[in-house]
Amino acid sequence: GQNIDQPTEMTATEGAIVQINCTYQTSGFNGLFWYQQHAGEAPTFLSYNVLDGLEEKGRFSSFLSRSKGYSYLLLKELQMKDSASYLCAVMDSNYQLIWGAGTKLIIKP
Amino acid sequence: GAVVSQHPSRVICKSGTSVKIECRSLDFQATTMFWYRQFPKQSLMLMATSNEGSKATYEQGVEKDKFLINHASLTLSTLTVTSAHPEDSSFYICSARGGPSGGFTYEQYFGPGTRLTVT
Repeated sequence: GQNIDQPTEMTATEGAIVQINCTYQTSGFNGLFWYQQHAGEAPTFLSYNVLDGLEEKGRFSSFLSRSKGYSYLLLKELQMKDSASYLCAVMDSNYQLIWGAGTKLIIKP
Repeated sequence: GAVVSQHPSRVICKSGTSVKIECRSLDFQATTMFWYRQFPKQSLMLMATSNEGSKATYEQGVEKDKFLINHASLTLSTLTVTSAHPEDSSFYICSARGGPSGGFTYEQYFGPGTRLTVT
């Protein structure tokens, strides 16, 4: 079956760095997405990785290892507004997104 | 960037009535639209996928006669919840995939969501 695993909840301190991991097992692979979702709002796109390596975009970076079925989202210089759920999603061979359950990130002052 | 609008943002209806939710891609042609449902503190659940001009493909366990989806144009899809019941109360989110002149892109752009409450 298809499976996306990510931690349920993480806590970090304002100004610090946090890494949110995602492992996946899917039928085919056409890329991995990270989305941010604030409570009561729809997800917003953060990143897309289809090749191995690190993609950096401002304070956020995303890493992919296809051989390991592994990705992480790295958030630097954390701000209170980064408190949200972070969703990992993999596009399978049918170009359908398979969603993880999301990681709730709590930022403390 | 690509913008997807959704209307209404909130709706309260009585049990047994029907509710229509609209999803529009404002600056691109959405060849494919997706409808999701999300219950509190849970992840997104894909309900159905629709391609413009074709019948929607529903996920297992989603009643196609209860959740009517129409994707009549490259910029508009509608979800109608028929004979709504309190258990249908949820956050409904649409997303769209496409490009400036249609075609296929990998990224999905999400609408802001519709919170449905059935009393």
